[in-house]
Amino acid sequence: GAVVSQHPSRVICKSGTSVKIECRSLDFQATTMFWYRQFPKKSLMLMATSNEGSKATYEQGVEKDKFLINHASLTLSTLTVTSAHPEDSSFYICSARSRGFGYTFGSGTRLTVV
Amino acid sequence: AQSVTQPDIHITVSEGASLELRCNYSYGATPYLFWYVQSPGQGLQLLLKYFSGDTLVQGIKGFEAEFKRSQSSFNLRKPSVHWSDAAEYFCAVVRDTGTASKLTFGTGTRLQVTL
Repeated sequence: GAVVSQHPSRVICKSGTSVKIECRSLDFQATTMFWYRQFPKKSLMLMATSNEGSKATYEQGVEKDKFLINHASLTLSTLTVTSAHPEDSSFYICSARSRGFGYTFGSGTRLTVV
Repeated sequence: AQSVTQPDIHITVSEGASLELRCNYSYGATPYLFWYVQSPGQGLQLLLKYFSGDTLVQGIKGFEAEFKRSQSSFNLRKPSVHWSDAAEYFCAVVRDTGTASKLTFGTGTRLQVTL
């Protein structure tokens, strides 16, 4: 079946630094990738949608300069949290959509900004 | 706009008992509906999905869901719960079925299983 690999699973960074999270579709080409943020005991909030070779589409209220998304190939999307602050600490999950409406999720990244 | 509602935030059942998790959707046409399960600190695993056809959908791990248009519901069921089923369950609907289609999630239901 479709597999999405997300790295790192956990990261701790200092306030003011940037962190990059990778999302790879291992055995299929993802036409579209999605980035979600999940607060403790809360649902998933869609942050942005990225399509290979084009600019990401951000949801309302999400700072595009804070959360940089790059989708350089059909199997790789990255989310960079720039100038991270403690309020950016969260669980970030990527999802890749294959042909049709097959959505496969990565295992998530726990970001802690200290 | 398409959305889903999960009325129950937290449900506790005994191991071996039956389970039903509720999901109501808001959408004019036939929605594309999904159920996902999330273990603590993990990503989401697809249990089942409904696009069209037979309204009773079979999924993995012994789960099933029934699409009821008259009630705008897509409830998840399992006849006999196992302790390993304890997790967070999310109902989701596809928003915008064009090329920009994306999933919108309900608020989730946390399932606790007592032995």
